[in-house]
Amino acid sequence: GESVGLHLPTLSVQEGDNSIINCAYSNSASDYFIWYKQESGKGPQFIIDIRSNMDKRQGQRVTVLLNKTVKHLSLQIAATQPGDSAVYFCAENRDGNQFYFGTGTSLTVIP
Amino acid sequence: KAGVTQTPRYLIKTRGQQVTLSCSPISGHRSVSWYQQTPGQGLQFLFEYFSETQRNKGNFPGRFSGRQFSNSRSEMNVSTLELGDSALYLCASRLAGWYEQYFGPGTRLTVT
Repeated sequence: GESVGLHLPTLSVQEGDNSIINCAYSNSASDYFIWYKQESGKGPQFIIDIRSNMDKRQGQRVTVLLNKTVKHLSLQIAATQPGDSAVYFCAENRDGNQFYFGTGTSLTVIP
Repeated sequence: KAGVTQTPRYLIKTRGQQVTLSCSPISGHRSVSWYQQTPGQGLQFLFEYFSETQRNKGNFPGRFSGRQFSNSRSEMNVSTLELGDSALYLCASRLAGWYEQYFGPGTRLTVT
C-alpha cells in the first residue's frame, strides 16, 4: 500500500551538531515533498520543499535530499539550536492531489 | 500577510453532539484542506475544497463533512461525535495550482 514513514520516532542531538531526519515513501509517482516542523501547541510550519526533478535543495540551515532510487527523503539541519526542538513531518504529493504525511520524528536538542 | 486562522482553538463536546469548526485561509488562497491529527497517527487527510467544491476526500465516515464559501473560508462539521474523534483538527491553505501548503494553529477537540 501507500505509505510515508519515518525511520526513527525520536532523535536527540547536542546543540551545535547537525541533525538528520529521514523519511521513506513507497509511491514512485510522488512528485513533490514538503518538510514541516510542528512545535507543541502549534500547527505544522512549512520548512522546505523539493520536487521530484531535483536531488537536493538548500534553505537557511536546512537541506533536503531526495533519493528517488530508494524512495528516501532526508532533512538535514545544520548547527542545531534549542529552538529546533519539535516534531518533523515529511509529506508527499502526487499530481497536486492530497498530501500523505508520515507519523513524525521528535527532535530534542540537548543544550 | 495574515496566516491561516482557525476558530475556536479549543472545544469540549460530549458524545452524540455535533460540532462545526471554522477556517479562514491566507488571503488569495482558494484551496483549503482539513486534517485530523491524533497521537501516533500523524496527519490524516479529511478533504480538500477549491472554489466551493470538494476536490478530494480522505477515508473518513460520512459524519465528517465540510463546505467552502465564496470568500474561500471553510467549515467542517462532525456529527454524532464519538470519543475517537478527539483530535487536533488542522486546516491548510494553498494557492491554486501551487503545491505549497500552509497550516493554521488547529482546533483541539475533546469529546467526553
